[in-house]
Amino acid sequence: NAGVTQTPKFQVLKTGQSMTLQCAQDMNHNSMYWYRQDPGMGLRLIYYSASEGTTDKGEVPNGYNVSRLNKREFSLRLESAAPSQTSVYFCASSEIRANNEQFFGPGTRLTVL
Amino acid sequence: DQQVKQNSPSLSVQEGRISILNCDYTNSMFDYFLWYKKYPAEGPTFLISISSIKDKNEDGRFTVFLNKSAKHLSLHIVPSQPGDSAVYFCAGETGANNLFFGTGTRLTVIP
Repeated sequence: NAGVTQTPKFQVLKTGQSMTLQCAQDMNHNSMYWYRQDPGMGLRLIYYSASEGTTDKGEVPNGYNVSRLNKREFSLRLESAAPSQTSVYFCASSEIRANNEQFFGPGTRLTVL
Repeated sequence: DQQVKQNSPSLSVQEGRISILNCDYTNSMFDYFLWYKKYPAEGPTFLISISSIKDKNEDGRFTVFLNKSAKHLSLHIVPSQPGDSAVYFCAGETGANNLFFGTGTRLTVIP
């Protein structure tokens, strides 16, 4: 039981390059989330998927796209990376109910030069 | 606009003493408040939560207090242990399980 896994762990991009961050969970959760964490700031929600086939914008969606490939997988794509997207990205999953803890992956540290 | 604020970036406490981490919020629509703990190079892990209709929730060494009139909550850890050294995030939850996180407080427990 691996929980939430993310690949890659580290990535360096040049401005304008594209890449996809992968996330998978094996807890059969319906909801999945993508957050970013910047120095001196808390985690901020980029996109979430309440269930397979649905996605919604969070607090900071600009510059990102997501795909809920199936119940297990939720990917985050940067089409044209910018230095402002240098951050640590966390994927999380949870069941759909109130007071529901989210389970987080270990994070992807992305640097855009 | 930061809906959840943790004004103390760091806190140092002696082992065995009480640690008190504070959190303020502005959004009256939060249904729940959650505390997460984060070690370096790992994702946050859930610690304890409280409903907006309660004023206290306890789980072992961890107790969370909520003062709705002051829009303030606090996490008490008694007794503090060196393994508690981590960054603690407070978060408010709205519908659809969306979480709004504070900026975190780094707790150091000194042996």
